[in-house]
Amino acid sequence: QVQLVESGGGLVTPGGSLRLTCAASGFKFSDYYMSWIRQAPGKGLEWLSYISSSGGTIHYADSVEGRFFISRDNAKNSLYLQMNSLRPEDTAMYYCARELPVVPSTYDYWGQGTLATVSS
Amino acid sequence: DIQMTQSPSSLSASVGDRVTVTCRANQNINYYLNWYQQRPGKAPKLLIYTASSLQSGVPSRFSGSGSGTEFTLTVSSLQPEDFATYYCQQSFSPPYTFGQGTKLGIK
Repeated sequence: QVQLVESGGGLVTPGGSLRLTCAASGFKFSDYYMSWIRQAPGKGLEWLSYISSSGGTIHYADSVEGRFFISRDNAKNSLYLQMNSLRPEDTAMYYCARELPVVPSTYDYWGQGTLATVSS
Repeated sequence: DIQMTQSPSSLSASVGDRVTVTCRANQNINYYLNWYQQRPGKAPKLLIYTASSLQSGVPSRFSGSGSGTEFTLTVSSLQPEDFATYYCQQSFSPPYTFGQGTKLGIK
């Protein structure tokens, strides 16, 4: 069965960095586009970034462009999000999500999320 | 950016009721509209994609319609497990924005 498991969240001070990992299993990871989406406590969903199946195409939301970097290692079935220059407003649950193969930017499987808290 | 607006923000209903949630985009997104359900403490779950296609495994009491700028999600007969928050999301162009959510509560 398809599984996505995020890790790497935690408490960090403003200006710090975190690297999130999403471990995928139960499907051919290298065939799928993947995305990161976050949800601040008690708030709605915010799409952050996607990466193509090969890693050759990447797109970011303006709110994280230049600070966050998405990558993947298809040999390790893993997706990453490097988060730098973190701000208190980046505090959120971070989800990785798989895209439907025939309907771009539509997310059929989500991980359980990893919580990143930015606070001094 | 494309702005997505859901209405209502919250509603109360009873088991067996028929409920409809509306989502409006501030520009034409054709049929690139998805609906998700999120239960407390859980990840979102895809219900409907491309406005009206039912995701595999989702009960047929859920349906979606619309195109262009106005879309609806309908639950034909509410079940206890349907009390949750619902989000629309446009997949037309990045950034792939979500609506603010509609919280469906028990009356």
